[in-house]
Amino acid sequence: SQTIHQWPATLVQPVGSPLSLECTVEGTSNPNLYWYRQAAGRGLQLLFYSVGIGQISSEVPQNLSASRPQDRQFILSSKKLLLSDSGFYLCAFRGGSGILSNTGELFFGEGSRLTVL
Amino acid sequence: GQSLEQPSEVTAVEGAIVQINCTYQTSGFYGLSWYQQHDGGAPTFLSYNALDGLEETGRFSSFLSRSDSYGYLLLQELQMKDSASYFCAVQRSGAGSYQLTFGKGTKLSVIP
Repeated sequence: SQTIHQWPATLVQPVGSPLSLECTVEGTSNPNLYWYRQAAGRGLQLLFYSVGIGQISSEVPQNLSASRPQDRQFILSSKKLLLSDSGFYLCAFRGGSGILSNTGELFFGEGSRLTVL
Repeated sequence: GQSLEQPSEVTAVEGAIVQINCTYQTSGFYGLSWYQQHDGGAPTFLSYNALDGLEETGRFSSFLSRSDSYGYLLLQELQMKDSASYFCAVQRSGAGSYQLTFGKGTKLSVIP
């Protein structure tokens, strides 16, 4: 079965510190991978998506970056966190590729709640 | 750009029926999805409409009108556990992938 895990679940970081959130997917190959951020009481904002190893597309310019060093690994990073980076970060994947496998469904990880102080 | 509009809050009585509307504006439209999110949890997929009409999955149904750029989620026989936020999301194509752009969500409160 397909599963997705992300960690850490919760972290509190000072302003200016670095960040690394990791996400791994199992049970599928060549997934499309996504990072979303959700501010408190708000909708989900797409940050990055990836269709393959080393292929990253950014939706919103910011001080965050993403990398995909392996097929089923997606990492969200920052060199210096800002207060505005606080939020609930969600990794997601869509299994398979092409329109025939398109059901409009994303599978989300458990989320990482980041508080920047 | 893309935009989605859905009501911010809805309150309904246990056992009743509630409809959550969603209007959207986007290019490269493929379909409309609905997700449920309980407080503190991750969103979970409910339904997807690529073609006009009604899709039924148990107590939940979703409708799409592409010509009107409009859809809705219908929840029947409401239960207390249905209290959650519900998001519509537009699926669009681009750069070899399918991205989902989410609305701001509708917080549903089910009362006894």
